[in-house]
Parts: sequence; structure tokens; C-alpha cells
Amino acid sequence: EPEVTQTPSHQVTQMGQEVILRCVPISNHLYFYWYRQILGQKVEFLVSFYNNEISEKSEIFDDQFSVERPDGSNFTLKIRSTKLEDSAMYFCASSGQIAEGTEAFFGQGTRLTVV
Amino acid sequence: GEDVEQSLFLSVREGDSSVINCTYTDSSSTYLYWYKQEPGAGLQLLTYIFSNMDMKQDQRLTVLLNKKDKHLSLRIADTQTGDSAIYFCAEIISWGKLQFGAGTQVVVTP
Repeated sequence: EPEVTQTPSHQVTQMGQEVILRCVPISNHLYFYWYRQILGQKVEFLVSFYNNEISEKSEIFDDQFSVERPDGSNFTLKIRSTKLEDSAMYFCASSGQIAEGTEAFFGQGTRLTVV
Repeated sequence: GEDVEQSLFLSVREGDSSVINCTYTDSSSTYLYWYKQEPGAGLQLLTYIFSNMDMKQDQRLTVLLNKKDKHLSLRIADTQTGDSAIYFCAEIISWGKLQFGAGTQVVVTP
């Protein structure tokens, strides 16, 4: 069964460092998303991406965040200068043609710990 | 504003039925979802319901939707220990953008 894969599963970084979280969406999907879940809190929408540009972003997704689809398979989330409060589980998701509905498939997540 | 509310915890005996409740606020939501998260794992889509439906059944899972009260429930029949997980209700705000509840921790006891 096709799945969304994320790497690494866990990343520890020092405050102020840049991190790149990587995702490989399901191959025929066109819509990509990042969500995050701070420990014990709700899963929150960060950004959606389609046709090589951001479709929508939340207020969390400030100038420190960026997304990219550098090639035909990867979808990345970059945090330029990490803060302690960026520590969270980050989920990548993808969905197919909009005509199929908006069923989003999530990856296993990357746990980011900022120290 | 937009918010999805769920009870935080549910304990159920193996073999009994579990009912997880959720309320949502956006009456224009076209799809409502239930996701399952096992410890250390990602979000697994369990089922979803389109807003013009009142009920959807999928094997042991039954979703009930009361649009008037903006209430969604997930019933798991014959609950098993493997059903122990956190269950998230979610509504769609715009395409691809889901608003999640805080999750209901379901603990299945022998």
C-alpha cells in the first residue's frame, strides 16, 4: 500500500540551528501539507502546497519556515533558526486529485527536539 | 472561531463497544474524519463521512453525524486491545486544511 514516508524519525538540534525535515509523498499525489503536534496538544495545520507554491499557511508558518519540492519526489520543511518552542512532532501529508475528495494520508512524523 | 472538541479519555472493556464523541463548529464542513494514532506512530485515517450523510458503517466502525447539533461520533464494536490509541476527530476547513480535536485516549482493558 502506498504511504507517505518521513525522515528522520527523530532529530535533535541546538537552538538557532537550521533543520530540514524531509518527506516523500505518495507518488501520484499533487497536494502536500505539513502539520505539527506539540506534545500533549492538538495537531495544527502549518501549510499546504500545490503546483510548486504555497496554497495556504497558518499564522504559525512565519518567515522562519519554508517549504520546497526540490525534485519530483521530495517535499521538505525548513526551519531557519530553531527555537525551543519549535519542539514538536511534524507530520507531512499528501492527497490526490481534488476530485477524489480531500482524504489526506499522513506520514509517521518527525519528532524535532530543540535543545 | 473554528474549534473541534473531544473528551480526552475513554476506558472500555475488551469486547464492549466504544463511543467517542466530537463536536465541531464549521457548519460548512464537507468532510469529517476520524484518525487513529498509536504510540510513536503517525496519523492513520480510519474513516470519514461526507456531510450529506447521517451514518456510515465500515466493518466494526460506525460514524454518526448530527448536522443540526454539529456532533460526530465514532462507535467501535467489539473493542480489542489493538484499538487502544488516541482517536482524533477532524473537520475540513478548506481543501487540505484539517482542524483537529485534541484527541481522545482510548484504553482497552482485559
